[in-house]
Amino acid sequence: KNEVEQSPQNLTAQEGEFITINCSYSVGISALHWLQQHPGGGIVSLFMLSSGKKKHGRLIATINIQEKHSSLHITASHPRDSAVYICAVRGNNNDMRFGAGTRLTVKP
Amino acid sequence: KAGVTQTPRYLIKTRGQQVTLSCSPISGHRSVSWYQQTPGQGLQFLFEYFSETQRNKGNFPGRFSGRQFSNSRSEMNVSTLELGDSALYLCASSLVGQGEYGYTFGSGTRLTVV
Repeated sequence: KNEVEQSPQNLTAQEGEFITINCSYSVGISALHWLQQHPGGGIVSLFMLSSGKKKHGRLIATINIQEKHSSLHITASHPRDSAVYICAVRGNNNDMRFGAGTRLTVKP
Repeated sequence: KAGVTQTPRYLIKTRGQQVTLSCSPISGHRSVSWYQQTPGQGLQFLFEYFSETQRNKGNFPGRFSGRQFSNSRSEMNVSTLELGDSALYLCASSLVGQGEYGYTFGSGTRLTVV
């Protein structure tokens, strides 16, 4: 079993829908990151969380340390949000482990 | 402000050869980390440097090595290349270690080993 599990693996939504991507981890962490990777490989760092909730535009990320779970929400989704979303955790020994990614497709 | 620059963008090498990849971080960023991405294994952490010191290393064989220079530029080297080393190699820079202020990723070097 992977130490960082993401769900769903693939997600198709209609423009305007509210989207949730989940990340569960089984190791102790000092921080959790959400990354966005567009076709062609470019990666953008969206959020770094160690507790609570962060919001940036239409994106919201939450983390529950006790439950070892984080969610990434996209409100009013748009086709330009189509990308692979990757959850990454920094372990207590400072190594980084990654989820397999969630491929999001938003249709107009 | 210039982003993270990785060179070269594409590279084809033969099994058994060695390769050196370069990463120039955003000006002022002191931390550089390296990652390997393959279709089968996804993203995997290689190593992280801060102020010329390797702070963390992922679970890769000793054929993978790296270093950071005083100007924060970093190189990674892979010796005795194997077919399985074919991957997208990404580097990311951050202001301080551990990405407290987020990471900025380069576009990657796509290495093909034949």
